[in-house]
Amino acid sequence: NAGVTQTPKFRILKIGQSMTLQCAQDMNHNYMYWYRQDPGMGLKLIYYSVGAGITDKGEVPNGYNVSRSTTEDFPLRLELAAPSQTSVYFCASSLTVKPYEQYFGPGTRLTVT
Amino acid sequence: GENVGLHLPTLSVQEGDNSIINCAYSNSASDYFIWYKQESGKGPQFIIDIRSNMDKRQGQRVTVLLNKTVKHLSLQIAATQPGDSAVYFCAETYELSGGGADGLTFGKGTHLIIQP
Repeated sequence: NAGVTQTPKFRILKIGQSMTLQCAQDMNHNYMYWYRQDPGMGLKLIYYSVGAGITDKGEVPNGYNVSRSTTEDFPLRLELAAPSQTSVYFCASSLTVKPYEQYFGPGTRLTVT
Repeated sequence: GENVGLHLPTLSVQEGDNSIINCAYSNSASDYFIWYKQESGKGPQFIIDIRSNMDKRQGQRVTVLLNKTVKHLSLQIAATQPGDSAVYFCAETYELSGGGADGLTFGKGTHLIIQP
């Protein structure tokens, strides 16, 4: 199994541009999550999904959108990128409803200038 | 992420010694407390969790202690190895407004440095 994969690894955006961060998992996990991690800080939950077709907001959803058309994929969309969205973005998935044993992808480092 | 904190941003230990990483939390209603390890350039990796009705849980070379009286969580790593060098985060669960799953509140992390 590849586990959780994320693309791209790095990206630089200009203010106002849009992009989609891709996330895929091959473990047949129902639960998927998007986090952002600012320098020296812990992770904050942006959006999550409990299954295909079902998504909901986390702690910091503003400026982002998600979709979950399949069990495997959970893309994160940034519309009108802002410097405050400069961060490292992690996608994660879990098998059970309790989130503690989440499996994380390698991350996408995004810079907005 | 401000509800869960760690006492030290950096902890330096000698290889072979035991390490203790501490964490204070604020949400008494959390069901679970979890420790993650994050190596440079990688995503966090689950280490161990403890349910709120337990005081201690042991894994391979790691032990987590939970003191609910003072809202304190610690991770003990026995016989520290170079591969233990990483940032360690504690996290606590909270109920997500949409239901169906719990969220995690992460602390800021402690950077564990292993001296040869």
